[in-house]
Amino acid sequence: GQQLNQSPQSMFIQEGEDVSMNCTSSSIFNTWLWYKQDPGEGPVLLIALYKAGELTSNGRLTAQFGITRKDSFLNISASIPSDVGIYFCAGQRGGADGLTFGKGTHLIIQP
Amino acid sequence: DAGVIQSPRHEVTEMGQEVTLRCKPISGHNSLFWYRQTMMRGLELLIYFNNNVPIDDSGMPEDRFSAKMPNASFSTLKIQPSEPRDSAVYFCASSLTGVRGNTIYFGEGSWLTVV
Repeated sequence: GQQLNQSPQSMFIQEGEDVSMNCTSSSIFNTWLWYKQDPGEGPVLLIALYKAGELTSNGRLTAQFGITRKDSFLNISASIPSDVGIYFCAGQRGGADGLTFGKGTHLIIQP
Repeated sequence: DAGVIQSPRHEVTEMGQEVTLRCKPISGHNSLFWYRQTMMRGLELLIYFNNNVPIDDSGMPEDRFSAKMPNASFSTLKIQPSEPRDSAVYFCASSLTGVRGNTIYFGEGSWLTVV
């Protein structure tokens, strides 16, 4: 089925650094979402984007819905240890459709 | 408020046995999704229901997999017979469709190991 190309696959950074990850698709999505998954837990929604070009922030997190509707990025500023985890992008075509997920970005923070 | 509730959290079973995973969506939600997560394939949508009706089951791997939603507060995903390659984490998720800004909420997952 449809896959989203998410990069990078993993990131090793120092505490306090900024983080950037992105997702691209060959087809259009009408909603882009970013989730975080901690070990042993289900994905938890961080940010949802509903309009092309939209830029949304949630604390230290900022995400943008690409103007072509085929891409999105997520930035985390001033990373802290609890940011460690796997971040997933997800696209949704219609409001009643399931989500298509990227393969995830593993974020590892070195103190 | 209770989130999406899944059971069992962990199951180890022998190849050939029947496995039933259960899900209680968030009260009031009208869409329910079943996902499977593996290292190789990531998160894959298996099937989703809207108002208890299956809408898209194209992600169900094969006939050994079946899902039902007999009412708005309960769904099952059944694997019969199970095989080692079915080992994965199975997530149930729910949302209130038709509301702009609807969020899909995930349960904590059912960790299945088939030996």
